[in-house]
Order: sequence, then C-alpha cells, then structure tokens
Amino acid sequence: ETGVTQSPTHLIKTRGQQVTLRCSSQSGHNTVSWYQQALGQGPQFIFQYYREEENGRGNFPPRFSGLQFPNYSSELNVNALELDDSALYLCASSKGGLSPDSNQPQHFGDGTRLSIL
Amino acid sequence: QKEVEQNSGPLSVPEGAIASLNCTYSDRGSQSFFWYRQYSGKSPELIMFIYSNGDKEDGRFTAQLNKASQYVSLLIRDSQPSDSATYLCAGGFFGANNLFFGTGTRLTVIP
Repeated sequence: ETGVTQSPTHLIKTRGQQVTLRCSSQSGHNTVSWYQQALGQGPQFIFQYYREEENGRGNFPPRFSGLQFPNYSSELNVNALELDDSALYLCASSKGGLSPDSNQPQHFGDGTRLSIL
Repeated sequence: QKEVEQNSGPLSVPEGAIASLNCTYSDRGSQSFFWYRQYSGKSPELIMFIYSNGDKEDGRFTAQLNKASQYVSLLIRDSQPSDSATYLCAGGFFGANNLFFGTGTRLTVIP
C-alpha cells in the first residue's frame, strides 16, 4: 500500500512569489485535505478536495487555492507569498465513500517545509 | 465554535511509567477523535482513533472518550524513550469535513 507522498520536501521563496505544492494520496483514498502547521502549533485546515472539487475551506485568504486531479492527487497553490506563510504544509488523504466525513482517519504525508525570505 | 484544547506541557515521565495526555473540546457535535504522534521535524502519524464513549485499547495505548464531559485522553503504558514526541489531539465534528487540532502536548520519557 502506497502512503501519502508530497513534493518538494523543502522550498525557499521570497515575498511576492508564487508556489505550488504537490500531493499524491494513499492508494484507495479519494479525499485530500491540506493543512498549514506553524512552529509550535497544531495543523490548521486550509481546504479539502473531493471528486475534484473544493469541499470545505478554513480561514485562509483566496490566494491559497488548490486542485484535485482524476487520480485523486492534489496541488496547493499560494500566490503573493508573505513572511507568515512560512510553515510546514501537510497533505492528508482519507476514504470519502459516498461523501467525505470527519469520521474517516486522515493519514499525513511527510509535508513540505516552506520558508519565505 | 469548534475548538480542541490541550495542555502544551512539557510532560515528563520516567521510563516504564504511564503517560497520561488530555484533551478537551468545546462543541458537543463531535463525531470522532484522533491522536497523532509527531516527532520533531516530522509529520503527524495516526496512532489511535475513537468514536464511542468509553475506552479503546491498542497495545500500550488506550484512548478514552467522555462525551458528556467533552474530554478525551490518551494513556501510554510502559512508556519508552522512543515515545518522546508531541502528541496532537484532533476532533471531527458534525457539519465539518476537516479535523480540528489542538496545539499538542510535548512528552519526554526519561530513561
């Protein structure tokens, strides 16, 4: 069974730039959720994708956007990067069934550590 | 308001002791709770989940859920130095598809 994989592992950008982070879901999982984890904090929900559509969003501005592809992999795009965007970005996949719900365990990838200079 | 709260610690226990990690939540519309272990610089790893009131045991780990008191805990028996990590409590709630995480409790097991 293939787990959740994320790329790249580390990334350094400057303010104002744009970044794309990628995630492949665990085999058998059709739902992908993205989280941002700042140092010393718990993960904060950015958004979730199910059947290639956004299925819930946390308190993040529109410059955070995403995609899900037919193979259930997903991208997170962040425009106009700010210093506060420096964090560990985590992708988690889960089984959605007929519809996703928060009862399903979410399994995380190794994350992408993004540093903004 | 859906919130999950944890004591950030640090919590130190001697090797072989029982470590008790606690979590409270604010919304009675809870469905499920998850405990994740996160080593420094790594991503969260799912170790337990619980849906119903009562205890659930898996090896050295026991999760306890009390919905009336809005309280969930994780007990680690025979603690080992390799258990030293940050433990994140996460809740799933009706009407939301995502998990709500606490800030984590840092556990140190002293050899």
